[in-house]
Amino acid sequence: DTAVSQTPKYLVTQMGNDKSIKCEQNLGHDTMYWYKQDSKKFLKIMFSYNNKELIINETVPNRFSPKSPDKAHLNLHINSLELGDSAVYFCASSQESGGGSPLHFGNGTRLTVT
Amino acid sequence: SQQGEEDPQALSIQEGENATMNCSYKTSINNLQWYRQNSGRGLVHLILIRSNEREKHSGRLRVTLDTSKKSSSLLITASRAADTASYFCATASGGSNYKLTFGKGTLLTVNP
Repeated sequence: DTAVSQTPKYLVTQMGNDKSIKCEQNLGHDTMYWYKQDSKKFLKIMFSYNNKELIINETVPNRFSPKSPDKAHLNLHINSLELGDSAVYFCASSQESGGGSPLHFGNGTRLTVT
Repeated sequence: SQQGEEDPQALSIQEGENATMNCSYKTSINNLQWYRQNSGRGLVHLILIRSNEREKHSGRLRVTLDTSKKSSSLLITASRAADTASYFCATASGGSNYKLTFGKGTLLTVNP
């Protein structure tokens, strides 16, 4: 059983389009995250939700909007895509938000903007 | 801003040898975690070491933490080709506004 699953795995789209990435976890965790990994493998946190409530919002363009319909799901919607948005986006979850528990990652969504 | 810095950036060894990767960080932490990432996959958690701990073991993995030097090391003993992956350290800090900040990783290649 996949613990953290995200779809799609690959996403190729043109500049200016709007796209969404979905994430679901079946671990019963309260906290979910979106991370962005660039071409140099640098992984940076974007958002964190605890029990459907936004608790971390890094300096991310407001073209990126996370949505958590329930604590098992955290989706990422991106408006007006730009070339610089090309990256691998990872969803993750953890049991706690206080840093005491490890993160469980999905396998990533590779977004290519042309 | 980036917290952890892994060293070296890349490491190539033969099967059976030990691999040591280092991580340095800048500010005080709650804990430090090591993750592995195989090509095209998500990160997998390996070990979490708390700020009041000095050493932890898990199978062939040994992690040390020196808070006075703000550094950690990950030792993989008797390496296997399947250990080929990128290894990241991540530091947890921030109290109630906790976040996990990753370094850029060490690419380990284990040659059969």
